[in-house]
Parts: sequence; structure tokens; C-alpha cells
Amino acid sequence: DADVTQTPRNRITKTGKRIMLECSQTKGHDRMYWYRQDPGLGLRLIYYSFDVKDINKGEISDGYSVSRQAQAKFSLSLESAIPNQTALYFCATSATGQSFSYEQYFGPGTRLTVT
Amino acid sequence: GQNIDQPTEMTATEGAIVQINCTYQTSGFNGLFWYQQHAGEAPTFLSYNVLDGLEEKGRFSSFLSRSKGYSYLLLKELQMKDSASYLCASGAGSYQLTFGKGTKLSVIP
Repeated sequence: DADVTQTPRNRITKTGKRIMLECSQTKGHDRMYWYRQDPGLGLRLIYYSFDVKDINKGEISDGYSVSRQAQAKFSLSLESAIPNQTALYFCATSATGQSFSYEQYFGPGTRLTVT
Repeated sequence: GQNIDQPTEMTATEGAIVQINCTYQTSGFNGLFWYQQHAGEAPTFLSYNVLDGLEEKGRFSSFLSRSKGYSYLLLKELQMKDSASYLCASGAGSYQLTFGKGTKLSVIP
């Protein structure tokens, strides 16, 4: 079974709709991240969380919100989707205190299309 | 900031050696990562350098020079399956990674 899972894997939605992307992990990691990836722009950090009570904005948080419901779950919401939010979204996790404390493990990605 | 610069695309021949370079800003630096990403898939960890020098792992090696803000990934005995994007990422404070835009490597017969 995958250590980091994302649902849905693909989603097509209309402009103005609210949508939630979910991420779950069984790695026992305390840190979780949401990125988006666009052709030619690389991976950009949207939000990150170091534990259940900690939420931080990343490079491109406008238009997004997150919820850390439990250590293992981190959700990303688009309150009112717009076409330029069409992208590949990745969830990632990492653990405090390991030798590679920065190493991040990625979920399989969610391909979101906003029409 | 941790601006990362790496070439956009490279092409190399099966069986050959290719070097992918990466430069980064050195302020607050805490380590340099390389990830491999096949099209439409998740990035997967390749290597981590925090000290100067060369780290070898099978066909892949990674080099770091902290004073120069420079790293490279060396791929030997290229195989067709090595066709992928290679992402350079710099670690800074708060355990965040800043990723470069990636280098798309095409391996040709």
C-alpha cells in the first residue's frame, strides 16, 4: 500500500466551484506539505504544516486554504476555483529528527482541471 | 531566498554519462536534494548532500560545493528508463525545500 495517498487522482470542475483535495499518510510523519506543479514553473509550495496545530503559508497561498484534521490527514481547498488553478497538485510529508530531516515523500498527485 | 537554476532540457545517448548542473543561493542553506520525476508521476528521492564532495550511489552520483553554491547530478551508463525530469531542491530554514524548475533529460538510442 502507498504511504502517501491523494484523492481524487483526477478532477474536472467548473469556475466558481468549491473543491477539496485530500491527502493521507501512513508514514507517521509530523510534517505535511501541498505543492502545485505547472509546466515550466516547477514545484511551488502552497501551504505546509508541522503538526496538527501549525499551519503556514507557502509561496503561493492566495486562493487556497488548508485543514490539518489529524497528524495523518491534510486537506487543500479551493474556495472558488478559477482556470489558472488548473495544475498537478502534490502532497508531501517529512519527519522531524531523522538524518534526512528535509527529505520529502510525495503522494501520486491530483490532476485538477478548472473549466 | 533560495533561487535555484538548472538547465531546462538535456539530451544524451544510451550508455553515455550526463552531468546536470544546479546553482543556488547560499544564504540559510541546509542541504541540497535531487529528485527524479517521470512524466505525470510523483518526484522520488535520489540524493542528499549537506557537506562538500561527491556522494556515489550506484549509477548516480551527486556533488556539492557550498562555497560556490553549486551542485551536479552525474548519471552513468544511461538507460532509456532514465528519461525523466531531474529536480534540484535546496533546503533552508523551517525544513522547507525550494525546488528548481527541473531538467528534462531525454535518453536516445
